[in-house]
Amino acid sequence: NAGVMQNPRHLVRRRGQEARLRCSPMKGHSHVYWYRQLPEEGLKFMVYLQKENIIDESGMPKERFSAEFPKEGPSILRIQQVVRGDSAAYFCASSWAQGGDEQFFGPGTRLTVL
Amino acid sequence: DAKTTQPPSMDCAEGRAANLPCNHSTISGNEYVYWYRQIHSQGPQYIIHGLKNNETNEMASLIITEDRKSSTLILPHATLRDTAVYYCIVRVLRDDKIIFGKGTRLHILP
Repeated sequence: NAGVMQNPRHLVRRRGQEARLRCSPMKGHSHVYWYRQLPEEGLKFMVYLQKENIIDESGMPKERFSAEFPKEGPSILRIQQVVRGDSAAYFCASSWAQGGDEQFFGPGTRLTVL
Repeated sequence: DAKTTQPPSMDCAEGRAANLPCNHSTISGNEYVYWYRQIHSQGPQYIIHGLKNNETNEMASLIITEDRKSSTLILPHATLRDTAVYYCIVRVLRDDKIIFGKGTRLHILP
């Protein structure tokens, strides 16, 4: 049973470039959550998606950040025109039902903006 | 904001029981207590959750006080691999987001 998969595991971008982070949920899971962890801080919720729908984006920055979870394929977190402050670990989690008794987390993508 | 209070760090000798406290004095009747841990920047790992009864699984035990204002996570025989940040979280079952606080950094001493 493959767990939540994220790629790339490490991503380096220069200021102004775009970053695309991918998340494949566990088999049978249709709910995906994205969290961000800044250096030396706890995880912060960003967005919750079901297939083709954004359910809760209350934690997403208003500009430059977007997320999708298409009918086919992985969930994508997209950051346009990255800045140094976007450097962080981005974790994806999935669950079988909304919230779920458990959210299973992926290994994360570490984004470094030069 | 997180609705829990945890000590920032704790030490425990290898092989002993690690008892991690958590205060959640404003917990609502429909909120559960969850515990997750994060080992050295890996993705958080679910440990256990409960409502008001004590719970036990293969990883840990969760003891919730009768008034539900505090709880303790017990790792019965701590090993070096249990070194991690442990997060105590209160949330409504099936709530979408998890609100993480600062957690307790547990050091297992050889």
